Amino acid sequence: SQTIHQWPATLVQPVGSPLSLECTVEGTSNPNLYWYRQAAGRGLQLLFYSVGIGQISSEVPQNLSASRPQDRQFILSSKKLLLSDSGFYLCAWSVPGSGRKTQYFGPGTRLLVL
Amino acid sequence: AQTVTQSQPEMSVQEAETVTLSCTYDTSENNYYLFWYKQPPSRQMILVIRQEAYKQQNATENRFSVNFQKAAKSFSLKISDSQLGDTAMYFCALKTLYGGSQGNLIFGKGTKLSVKP
Repeated sequence: SQTIHQWPATLVQPVGSPLSLECTVEGTSNPNLYWYRQAAGRGLQLLFYSVGIGQISSEVPQNLSASRPQDRQFILSSKKLLLSDSGFYLCAWSVPGSGRKTQYFGPGTRLLVL
Repeated sequence: AQTVTQSQPEMSVQEAETVTLSCTYDTSENNYYLFWYKQPPSRQMILVIRQEAYKQQNATENRFSVNFQKAAKSFSLKISDSQLGDTAMYFCALKTLYGGSQGNLIFGKGTKLSVKP
Protein backbone atom coordinates (compact mmCIF):
# COMPACT_ATOMS: atom_id res chain seq x y z
CA SER A 1 0.00 0.00 0.00
CA GLN A 2 1.03 3.58 -0.51
CA THR A 3 2.08 5.89 2.28
CA ILE A 4 3.10 9.52 2.35
CA HIS A 5 5.42 11.07 4.90
CA GLN A 6 6.15 14.65 5.82
CA TRP A 7 8.69 16.12 8.16
CA PRO A 8 9.15 17.87 10.34
CA ALA A 9 5.71 17.76 11.96
CA THR A 10 6.18 21.15 13.58
CA LEU A 11 8.67 23.92 12.93
CA VAL A 12 9.25 27.30 14.52
CA GLN A 13 11.56 29.56 12.55
CA PRO A 14 12.63 33.21 12.80
CA VAL A 15 11.83 35.68 10.04
CA GLY A 16 14.55 35.68 7.41
CA SER A 17 15.72 32.14 8.08
CA PRO A 18 15.73 29.41 5.39
CA LEU A 19 13.17 26.64 5.13
CA SER A 20 13.18 23.07 3.93
CA LEU A 21 10.15 20.80 4.23
CA GLU A 22 10.30 17.28 2.89
CA CYS A 23 7.67 14.94 1.54
CA THR A 24 8.20 11.36 0.43
CA VAL A 25 5.84 8.79 -0.99
CA GLU A 26 6.24 5.04 -0.73
CA GLY A 27 4.59 2.23 -2.64
CA THR A 28 4.06 3.93 -5.99
CA SER A 29 6.08 5.13 -8.98
CA ASN A 30 6.02 8.46 -10.82
CA PRO A 31 3.27 9.97 -8.69
CA ASN A 32 1.91 13.45 -9.22
CA LEU A 33 2.98 15.47 -6.20
CA TYR A 34 1.48 18.63 -4.71
CA TRP A 35 2.24 21.20 -2.03
CA TYR A 36 -0.69 23.01 -0.39
CA ARG A 37 -0.81 25.67 2.30
CA GLN A 38 -3.65 26.09 4.73
CA ALA A 39 -3.79 29.38 6.61
CA ALA A 40 -5.57 29.42 9.96
CA GLY A 41 -9.32 28.92 9.57
CA ARG A 42 -9.19 28.77 5.80
CA GLY A 43 -9.23 26.25 2.97
CA LEU A 44 -6.30 24.87 1.08
CA GLN A 45 -4.32 26.77 -1.51
CA LEU A 46 -2.24 24.90 -4.09
CA LEU A 47 1.36 26.14 -4.15
CA PHE A 48 3.21 23.75 -6.45
CA TYR A 49 2.66 20.54 -8.33
CA SER A 50 4.97 18.14 -10.11
CA VAL A 51 4.34 15.43 -12.69
CA GLY A 52 7.92 14.12 -12.73
CA ILE A 53 11.51 14.54 -11.60
CA GLY A 54 12.65 18.12 -12.11
CA GLN A 55 9.22 19.22 -13.36
CA ILE A 56 7.70 21.85 -11.10
CA SER A 57 4.76 24.14 -11.75
CA SER A 58 4.04 27.11 -9.52
CA GLU A 59 0.51 28.27 -8.86
CA VAL A 60 1.08 31.29 -6.66
CA PRO A 61 3.94 33.82 -6.88
CA GLN A 62 5.76 33.89 -3.56
CA ASN A 63 9.12 33.52 -1.92
CA LEU A 64 8.73 29.75 -1.73
CA SER A 65 10.14 27.24 -4.20
CA ALA A 66 9.80 23.52 -4.75
CA SER A 67 12.06 20.81 -6.07
CA ARG A 68 11.74 17.16 -6.96
CA PRO A 69 15.20 15.62 -6.88
CA GLN A 70 13.92 12.04 -6.87
CA ASP A 71 10.81 10.34 -8.20
CA ARG A 72 9.08 10.12 -4.84
CA GLN A 73 10.58 13.11 -3.04
CA PHE A 74 9.16 16.61 -3.05
CA ILE A 75 10.80 19.47 -1.19
CA LEU A 76 9.42 22.90 -0.31
CA SER A 77 12.03 25.59 0.34
CA SER A 78 12.57 29.22 1.06
CA LYS A 79 15.74 31.28 1.29
CA LYS A 80 14.20 33.83 3.65
CA LEU A 81 10.97 33.22 5.52
CA LEU A 82 8.31 35.90 5.95
CA LEU A 83 5.77 36.18 8.74
CA SER A 84 3.07 35.48 6.16
CA ASP A 85 4.60 32.08 5.45
CA SER A 86 3.19 30.75 8.71
CA GLY A 87 0.59 28.05 8.18
CA PHE A 88 -0.05 24.38 7.78
CA TYR A 89 1.67 22.78 4.80
CA LEU A 90 0.25 19.66 3.26
CA CYS A 91 1.85 17.42 0.67
CA ALA A 92 -0.34 15.20 -1.49
CA TRP A 93 0.08 12.61 -4.20
CA SER A 94 -2.06 11.12 -6.92
CA VAL A 95 -1.63 8.37 -9.48
CA PRO A 96 -1.09 9.83 -12.96
CA GLY A 97 -3.33 8.77 -15.81
CA SER A 98 -7.01 8.94 -16.59
CA GLY A 99 -9.48 7.95 -13.96
CA ARG A 100 -7.08 8.29 -11.04
CA LYS A 101 -8.04 11.70 -9.82
CA THR A 102 -8.01 11.28 -6.07
CA GLN A 103 -5.32 13.07 -4.09
CA TYR A 104 -4.06 11.55 -0.87
CA PHE A 105 -2.60 13.82 1.76
CA GLY A 106 0.29 13.53 4.17
CA PRO A 107 0.09 14.39 7.87
CA GLY A 108 1.23 17.98 7.30
CA THR A 109 3.81 20.35 8.77
CA ARG A 110 2.82 23.18 11.06
CA LEU A 111 5.12 26.17 10.42
CA LEU A 112 5.25 29.18 12.69
CA VAL A 113 7.41 32.09 11.62
CA LEU A 114 8.24 34.54 14.43
CA ALA B 1 -13.37 30.38 -13.06
CA GLN B 2 -14.09 27.37 -10.94
CA THR B 3 -15.40 27.87 -7.45
CA VAL B 4 -16.59 25.78 -4.53
CA THR B 5 -18.89 27.26 -1.90
CA GLN B 6 -19.72 25.83 1.51
CA SER B 7 -22.33 28.08 3.06
CA GLN B 8 -22.33 26.54 6.55
CA PRO B 9 -19.22 27.57 8.53
CA GLU B 10 -20.28 25.49 11.54
CA MET B 11 -22.80 22.78 12.30
CA SER B 12 -23.56 20.51 15.20
CA VAL B 13 -25.41 17.23 15.52
CA GLN B 14 -26.30 14.85 18.31
CA GLU B 15 -24.58 11.51 18.38
CA ALA B 16 -26.45 8.85 16.36
CA GLU B 17 -28.43 11.44 14.39
CA THR B 18 -28.09 12.39 10.74
CA VAL B 19 -26.59 15.60 9.40
CA THR B 20 -26.24 17.04 5.90
CA LEU B 21 -23.44 19.37 4.84
CA SER B 22 -24.02 21.58 1.81
CA CYS B 23 -21.73 22.34 -1.10
CA THR B 24 -22.30 24.14 -4.37
CA TYR B 25 -19.79 24.58 -7.14
CA ASP B 26 -19.32 26.24 -10.46
CA THR B 27 -17.47 24.99 -13.52
CA SER B 28 -17.93 25.19 -17.25
CA GLU B 29 -16.54 21.70 -17.72
CA ASN B 30 -18.78 18.70 -18.25
CA ASN B 31 -16.38 16.12 -16.87
CA TYR B 32 -15.09 16.55 -13.36
CA TYR B 33 -14.77 14.94 -9.97
CA LEU B 34 -16.11 16.02 -6.62
CA PHE B 35 -14.73 15.09 -3.24
CA TRP B 36 -15.44 15.43 0.43
CA TYR B 37 -12.41 15.48 2.69
CA LYS B 38 -12.40 15.35 6.46
CA GLN B 39 -9.80 17.16 8.58
CA PRO B 40 -9.91 16.10 12.24
CA PRO B 41 -8.02 17.97 14.98
CA SER B 42 -4.85 16.11 13.93
CA ARG B 43 -5.19 18.16 10.72
CA GLN B 44 -4.46 15.29 8.36
CA MET B 45 -6.74 15.54 5.34
CA ILE B 46 -8.65 12.31 4.88
CA LEU B 47 -10.70 11.40 1.84
CA VAL B 48 -14.31 10.65 2.78
CA ILE B 49 -16.04 10.10 -0.54
CA ARG B 50 -15.65 10.74 -4.25
CA GLN B 51 -18.15 11.30 -7.05
CA GLU B 52 -17.53 11.21 -10.78
CA ALA B 53 -19.72 13.74 -12.59
CA TYR B 54 -20.55 11.34 -15.40
CA LYS B 55 -22.10 8.88 -12.94
CA GLN B 56 -25.71 9.55 -12.09
CA GLN B 57 -25.70 7.22 -9.11
CA ASN B 58 -24.84 8.91 -5.85
CA ALA B 59 -21.68 7.64 -4.17
CA THR B 60 -21.93 5.88 -0.81
CA GLU B 61 -19.27 4.86 1.69
CA ASN B 62 -20.70 3.18 4.78
CA ARG B 63 -22.39 5.94 6.81
CA PHE B 64 -21.45 8.63 4.30
CA SER B 65 -23.45 9.36 1.18
CA VAL B 66 -23.80 12.24 -1.23
CA ASN B 67 -26.68 13.91 -3.02
CA PHE B 68 -25.22 14.94 -6.35
CA GLN B 69 -27.42 17.28 -8.38
CA LYS B 70 -25.45 18.04 -11.53
CA ALA B 71 -27.88 20.49 -13.07
CA ALA B 72 -28.06 22.47 -9.85
CA LYS B 73 -24.28 22.08 -9.28
CA SER B 74 -24.91 20.85 -5.80
CA PHE B 75 -22.99 18.18 -3.90
CA SER B 76 -24.15 17.63 -0.32
CA LEU B 77 -22.75 15.11 2.16
CA LYS B 78 -25.02 13.13 4.46
CA ILE B 79 -23.59 11.52 7.56
CA SER B 80 -25.85 8.93 9.12
CA ASP B 81 -25.61 7.63 12.68
CA SER B 82 -23.13 10.38 13.58
CA GLN B 83 -20.27 9.36 15.83
CA LEU B 84 -18.03 11.42 18.09
CA GLY B 85 -15.13 10.62 15.79
CA ASP B 86 -16.89 12.44 12.97
CA THR B 87 -16.09 15.74 14.67
CA ALA B 88 -13.88 17.54 12.15
CA MET B 89 -13.67 20.18 9.45
CA TYR B 90 -15.23 18.94 6.23
CA PHE B 91 -14.05 20.28 2.90
CA CYS B 92 -15.79 19.98 -0.42
CA ALA B 93 -13.44 19.95 -3.43
CA LEU B 94 -13.73 20.04 -7.21
CA LYS B 95 -11.32 18.69 -9.77
CA THR B 96 -11.74 19.13 -13.50
CA LEU B 97 -9.94 17.12 -16.14
CA TYR B 98 -8.98 19.94 -18.43
CA GLY B 99 -7.50 23.38 -18.20
CA GLY B 100 -5.56 24.98 -15.39
CA SER B 101 -3.26 23.09 -13.08
CA GLN B 102 -2.97 19.46 -13.82
CA GLY B 103 -4.70 17.81 -10.92
CA ASN B 104 -5.54 21.00 -9.09
CA LEU B 105 -8.18 20.60 -6.41
CA ILE B 106 -10.39 23.61 -5.76
CA PHE B 107 -11.45 23.58 -2.11
CA GLY B 108 -14.32 25.21 -0.33
CA LYS B 109 -13.66 27.04 2.93
CA GLY B 110 -14.93 24.15 5.01
CA THR B 111 -17.68 23.34 7.49
CA LYS B 112 -16.79 22.67 11.10
CA LEU B 113 -18.91 19.78 12.34
CA SER B 114 -19.27 19.04 16.04
CA VAL B 115 -20.88 15.79 17.14
CA LYS B 116 -22.29 16.12 20.64
CA PRO B 117 -22.74 13.20 23.04
